[in-house]
Parts: sequence; structure tokens; C-alpha cells
Amino acid sequence: DIQMTQSPSSLSASVGDRVTITCRASQSISTYLNWYQQKPGKAPKLLMYAASSLQSGVPTRFSGSGSGTDFTLTISSLQPEDFATYYCQQSYSAWTFGQGTKVEIK
Amino acid sequence: QVQLQESGPGLVKPSETLSLTCTVSGGSISRNSWSWTRQPPGKGLEWIGYIYDSGSTNYAPSLKSRVTIFLDTSKNQFSLKLSSVTAADTAVYYCARIEMTTIRAFDIWGQGTMVTVSS
Repeated sequence: DIQMTQSPSSLSASVGDRVTITCRASQSISTYLNWYQQKPGKAPKLLMYAASSLQSGVPTRFSGSGSGTDFTLTISSLQPEDFATYYCQQSYSAWTFGQGTKVEIK
Repeated sequence: QVQLQESGPGLVKPSETLSLTCTVSGGSISRNSWSWTRQPPGKGLEWIGYIYDSGSTNYAPSLKSRVTIFLDTSKNQFSLKLSSVTAADTAVYYCARIEMTTIRAFDIWGQGTMVTVSS
């Protein structure tokens, strides 16, 4: 099984801040890495696929990078609607989610 | 556009079988792949399994012995069965479409349905 580890588990930030979330795979997954955003009481929403491709309709302040085992999701200027929990997911061999990173208001 | 809706009992007794259905509207179930994911209260997402449009399946190793996912193309639905449930299976269960050809990701989700395992 491929394990996914996100860091940090949570972070506090202010509106306008640049935020970076890291995801590490237990083995190389090339760029088979997706990112989701989940708000309380709602289903997850796909933000990025293939490590760095923005899903249609997602604001360009979101960006992703990485390949192999190390990946990052960056929010260039945090907006009020971005406070949520973010999950990475590998799609190289079946599917596995990271444990999530909660982005809270400072 | 394609929409998904989960349905099924909200309460299941321990040792019994949890059964949920996902109804797909706005598109054919035969043209995509489909998944189930769950989320225990206050915890993260756990992938359960998927079924291809061909009918082939793959399940999470931790659940493989208890899970079955199958299609009902006549009703444009796919279903989940999880046997021998315990309190640890209490969670919100989500169905989702897997877009396999271009993005290989879960691009459309249902709203989720809460299932509690309790006597």
C-alpha cells in the first residue's frame, strides 16, 4: 500500500498570507497526486490533479508542484473562503488520501 | 451536469451488513468509473473501493474482506455493501465519479450520507 503523509496537520494563517501544505508519498508516484478541499459538513471538492493542474473553476491563487514522493499545495494569498481542510490523494496505485491539513484563521 | 445522490439506512446494527446506493443523474453510469469513500466523525477521508465501467473492482486492503461494490446499469446506480459492521464503521459515506481518462481524480461527489452503527 502507498501511504500519504501531510504536514502540518493544522496551521493558523491570516487573510492574505501565503500558505504551503506538504504531502509525501511512501514510494514514488510520479505526478499521480490530487488535492481536495473540504469545508465542514460538505463533500470534498477537487482542486488540483496530476500534481500541478488546476481543476476547472478553481481560483489561480491555488497551485501545486512536485513529483516522485514530495508534493506541495500553495495558496498564494489566503482568502476567507479558503479556510478549510485540505487532503492530498495518490492515484498511482488505487487511491489513498493523506490525513488532512486544517487551515484555520489566526 | 452529472449529479450523485447517496441513499440508504442511517442506522445499522453491529454485525449486520451496511447497504448504500448512489444514484447517478445527468449522465450514464456505463461511461465512467465510480468510488466510495468514508469519513468517521471528526476524522479524515478513507477510500473504500471503486468499480470501473467494465465492472471490475478494487478495494482498500483494510476493508477488502468485507466490501462489495456493484453496478445496476438499468437504474443508473452503483451500490456498496459492507458486512459485519462495528462501531468503527460509523461514518459519512460519499460516492464519487472517477474521471479516469484525463485527470484520474474524483471530480464529482455526492453530498454524503451519515451511517451510524449501533444497537
